[in-house]
Amino acid sequence: QKEVEQNSGPLSVPEGAIASLNCTYSDRGSQSFFWYRQYSGKSPELIMSIYSNGDKEDGRFTAQLNKASQYVSLLIRDSQPSDSATYLCAVIDTGANSKLTFGKGITLSVRP
Amino acid sequence: DAGITQSPRHKVTETGTPVTLRCHQTENHRYMYWYRQDPGHGLRLIHYSYGVKDTDKGEVSDGYSVSRSKTEDFLLTLESATSSQTSVYFCAISALAGGTDTQYFGPGTRLTVL
Repeated sequence: QKEVEQNSGPLSVPEGAIASLNCTYSDRGSQSFFWYRQYSGKSPELIMSIYSNGDKEDGRFTAQLNKASQYVSLLIRDSQPSDSATYLCAVIDTGANSKLTFGKGITLSVRP
Repeated sequence: DAGITQSPRHKVTETGTPVTLRCHQTENHRYMYWYRQDPGHGLRLIHYSYGVKDTDKGEVSDGYSVSRSKTEDFLLTLESATSSQTSVYFCAISALAGGTDTQYFGPGTRLTVL
């Protein structure tokens, strides 16, 4: 059974701080990794994808991947109250059909 | 929003009744998925489709069936709804983005089984 684990929450940070969200995965052959943001009552929205070891930056978001440690993280710089949401880590299965395995998510709260 | 709609958006039904949820996409994507989302469990795959009339089971397929007679429509059926199937159901499609397959979600259907 492929597993994706996210550190337990909720996570609370003050406005302007860096929020660090972490995720580990069990399938060593996984190649593609995704972070989704989900506001309460809404559907998941893709915010970052990463495929290569290292960092990938997009605005205030940085995804970090370490395949040797089977670890992927999301950093949110200059956190804003509008970043308050649940963040889901997802890993694409190594088999066919582009199936994703999701972590259970972590809820981030940014305090004004 | 990847052109995905789901209907109905909300439904309340009684135990033992059949229920069909519809996912419709407008961009001719080959892969479509049905998930359920429950507190403490995250998103779990129910069934998926890799083409017209081509479907397969996911992690939590018991009590559910699917059909895909046209590329644009993927139907999820609960033959005899139970209270344990109260959940939020999301449809997703897979599209190529940045060189890899990436899933995009519909708005969801909130189903309550009394």
